[in-house]
Amino acid sequence: DQQVKQNSPSLSVQEGRISILNCDYTNSMFDYFLWYKKYPAEGPTFLISISSIKDKNEDGRFTVFLNKSAKHLSLHIVPSQPGDSAVYFCAASDDKIIFGKGTRLHILP
Amino acid sequence: EAQVTQNPRYLITVTGKKLTVTCSQNMNHEYMSWYRQDPGLGLRQIYYSMNVEVTDKGDVPEGYKVSRKEKRNFPLILESPSPNQTSLYFCASSFSRLGGNGYTFGSGTRLTVV
Repeated sequence: DQQVKQNSPSLSVQEGRISILNCDYTNSMFDYFLWYKKYPAEGPTFLISISSIKDKNEDGRFTVFLNKSAKHLSLHIVPSQPGDSAVYFCAASDDKIIFGKGTRLHILP
Repeated sequence: EAQVTQNPRYLITVTGKKLTVTCSQNMNHEYMSWYRQDPGLGLRQIYYSMNVEVTDKGDVPEGYKVSRKEKRNFPLILESPSPNQTSLYFCASSFSRLGGNGYTFGSGTRLTVV
């Protein structure tokens, strides 16, 4: 059973607008949540993380929100840029890191 | 430059012919791991290593072996590859298995078994 779920396989957003990528999880013992970005022909790169004791973490255009009661986190990208087109993996950590299946983000010109 | 290096980047092989995919990191990381990425399935962990001579199975270990004789190297061995092992493979490393700093990934090895 999937412990980390990304229910949207793909998402298209206009350049300059906000991109919101969503992730749900089932294990309340996860202590960190992470987002990775992956371009074709490259390995995933770490983007941003949040501790389970926080509800928001911001880094430039990227903000991750955590709603523990709903077991839900989201990644906001504002404003979206063409270089943000990639696959985004949500991940969660307890005694190891577990990845979701990914969401492909397309930024439209 | 801090990095995880995998070789080869691309490999086509035949069923049953043993192969090794190498992985090396220069960050003195203790933790290393292998993943495979398949369409619709995301990243699935094959094997991991907490330190030298310490390895353990991940979620999909069948058909694979690993070794960790030195801290920097973590090769993935396919003793008798089969077509269902056609996939994109990533090696990753970190100071720890846990936590919010994330893993550093290699650039990937695309393996095709015919």
